[in-house]
Amino acid sequence: DTGVSQDPRHKITKRGQNVTFRCDPISEHNRLYWYRQTLGQGPEFLTYFQNEAQLEKSRLLSDRFSAERPKGSFSTLEIQRTEQGDSAMYLCASSHRGGSTNEKLFFGSGTQLSVL
Amino acid sequence: AQTVTQSQPEMSVQEAETVTLSCTYDTSESDYYLFWYKQPPSRQMILVIRQEAYKQQNATENRFSVNFQKAAKSFSLKISDSQLGDAAMYFCAYRTPYYGGSQGNLIFGKGTKLSVKP
Repeated sequence: DTGVSQDPRHKITKRGQNVTFRCDPISEHNRLYWYRQTLGQGPEFLTYFQNEAQLEKSRLLSDRFSAERPKGSFSTLEIQRTEQGDSAMYLCASSHRGGSTNEKLFFGSGTQLSVL
Repeated sequence: AQTVTQSQPEMSVQEAETVTLSCTYDTSESDYYLFWYKQPPSRQMILVIRQEAYKQQNATENRFSVNFQKAAKSFSLKISDSQLGDAAMYFCAYRTPYYGGSQGNLIFGKGTKLSVKP
């Protein structure tokens, strides 16, 4: 197990197109997070899953965004009708939610999206 | 709402010297967690150090230590004996615990770019 894997690493698309990103968390991690990071900013929380259930969504996650984690393992983040403002790096992180609040997040290397 | 502020967009340090990165935060909660993450050019966020708010003792991880001032809502990172590999973006982050309805997502500052001169 080599950590959190994200695919693709880079994605260039034209405005109006749909894109989908994939995240493979560390095996047996039951929590999975999506963050967005724009240039010069820290990551901003988008949404998270515990197993297959999507438990929280940020106001940043507009109706054009949808995330799934169908079997509680990998997750996909889809953006429909992309806009130039969607250009950012999309980071995935996973963790294991145990009995305590002492939880450590492991991040992937992100998918850099450029919308032309 | 909680906020995290890093007032130093860029910092520079000589190899083997010590540097301190600043972070302040705003919250009305008494229990929370604070983190420093490192983001090298590879883009992967790496946890450097973590501090629980209920602990008065400052966290230490090898060459990395924090100065946690709860009353002042300050959480600075000290890097001793700086190495070339320490060059990266450093982000301060805040997180609530997982009780009381909050799901505890991370709130990040804007980051400080650290350069290490040989």
